[in-house]
Amino acid sequence: DAGVIQSPRHEVTEMGQEVTLRCKPISGHDYLFWYRQTMMRGLELLIYFNNNVPIDDSGMPEDRFSAKMPNASFSTLKIQPSEPRDSAVYFCASSQGTGYTFGSGTRLTVV
Amino acid sequence: GIQVEQSPPDLILQEGANSTLRCNFSDSVNNLQWFHQNPWGQLINLFYIPSGTKQNGRLSATTVATERYSLLYISSSQTTDSGVYFCAVDENTDKLIFGTGTRLQVFP
Repeated sequence: DAGVIQSPRHEVTEMGQEVTLRCKPISGHDYLFWYRQTMMRGLELLIYFNNNVPIDDSGMPEDRFSAKMPNASFSTLKIQPSEPRDSAVYFCASSQGTGYTFGSGTRLTVV
Repeated sequence: GIQVEQSPPDLILQEGANSTLRCNFSDSVNNLQWFHQNPWGQLINLFYIPSGTKQNGRLSATTVATERYSLLYISSSQTTDSGVYFCAVDENTDKLIFGTGTRLQVFP
């Protein structure tokens, strides 16, 4: 298996633009998680899905953030409009309920 | 919510030395994992260990769930062990809460 695949690896965008981050989980994993990592706040859980259904989105910072999982092999995290304080590394992880496997992350810079 | 504390926050070692990293958590947990974030940012799962002891090469981990702590042992450290070690737990939910990490630097 190729592991959890995230794209793009790096994204630089201007304030106010829409940003879409993508994730392909490991086949057979029924949990998918989106995390954000910053120096100030560490690793924060934004939202997670079980069997493609959003279970807990209490970590989503505000309405500008949305996430979808239309099928078992694909998820997106969208920020619209983006702001400089959204700059961070965004990780996707998948699991069968025990050990997590993380993707390589997307480094987002909003200027 | 559950609190996760890791110690020490920073650790500097010479190659070949042994070390112990500690994770304390404030409530009972269903899931405890140790991760290594390498200098390139990749998060690697080291152990899934809600209780008991596991070993993988030079690394081993022990979780004493009744006393709410876990230990990660690194023996004969190598420069490639450098990075940040995270402990993460859940409290009867499906979501992991991460500690603030221990930053390890191993020098030749």
